[in-house]
Amino acid sequence: DVQLVESGGGLVKPGGSLRLSCAASGFTFDYYTMNWVRQAPGKGLEWVASITSYGEYIYYADSVKGRFTIARDNAKNSVYLQMHSLQDEDTAVYSCARWPGSIGSGGMDVWGQGTTVIVSS
Amino acid sequence: QSVLTQPRSVSGSPGQSVTISCTGTSSDIGGYDYVSWYQHHPGKAPKFILYDVNKRPSGVPDRFSGSKSANTASLTISGLQAEDEADYYCCSFADTSAGTYMLVFGGGTKLTVL
Repeated sequence: DVQLVESGGGLVKPGGSLRLSCAASGFTFDYYTMNWVRQAPGKGLEWVASITSYGEYIYYADSVKGRFTIARDNAKNSVYLQMHSLQDEDTAVYSCARWPGSIGSGGMDVWGQGTTVIVSS
Repeated sequence: QSVLTQPRSVSGSPGQSVTISCTGTSSDIGGYDYVSWYQHHPGKAPKFILYDVNKRPSGVPDRFSGSKSANTASLTISGLQAEDEADYYCCSFADTSAGTYMLVFGGGTKLTVL
């Protein structure tokens, strides 16, 4: 089965750091751009970051640029989101999603269930 | 960071059709035919229902269709069914003033099947 499973969420104080992981299975991982999308409580979906198949292109939302870093390890079929300087407004469910090829044509065709990040003192 | 504009809510009776609009700018919807749509039942993973404005992934019924005019994309759901009740999000590829690219989502539309 095609599957994405996120982990690493938790409670962190403002200004703290957290590293999220997303483990992929059931498909050829390096055929896909991987994305992180978040949903804050009571809010809509917000795109966070994308990384192409071999990391040749990386894109970030303005709201996280300079604080978050997306990375992938194709040997481990995993994508990561390193988050620093966390703020209250980063509280959300963070999901990873795959995109065939490069972003542009197509869409996020498989999503994980998400991992919850709560930033609170 | 731009957010595409969607109506907060729409509603329809079973069997009817509803259309959800998604308005952006020439830097996103107006500049590219790369609009995708997602159906989201709370507590579940979003489901991919349309891409490249009007293409359906395998397994998505033809009751779901898409279109685009200028800076506005639209999702039409015909023959409404109870299970269509969900939140719907549009997403567009976009270019930025910094010369790079990004994705941008709409604020989401809650569809109620009466």
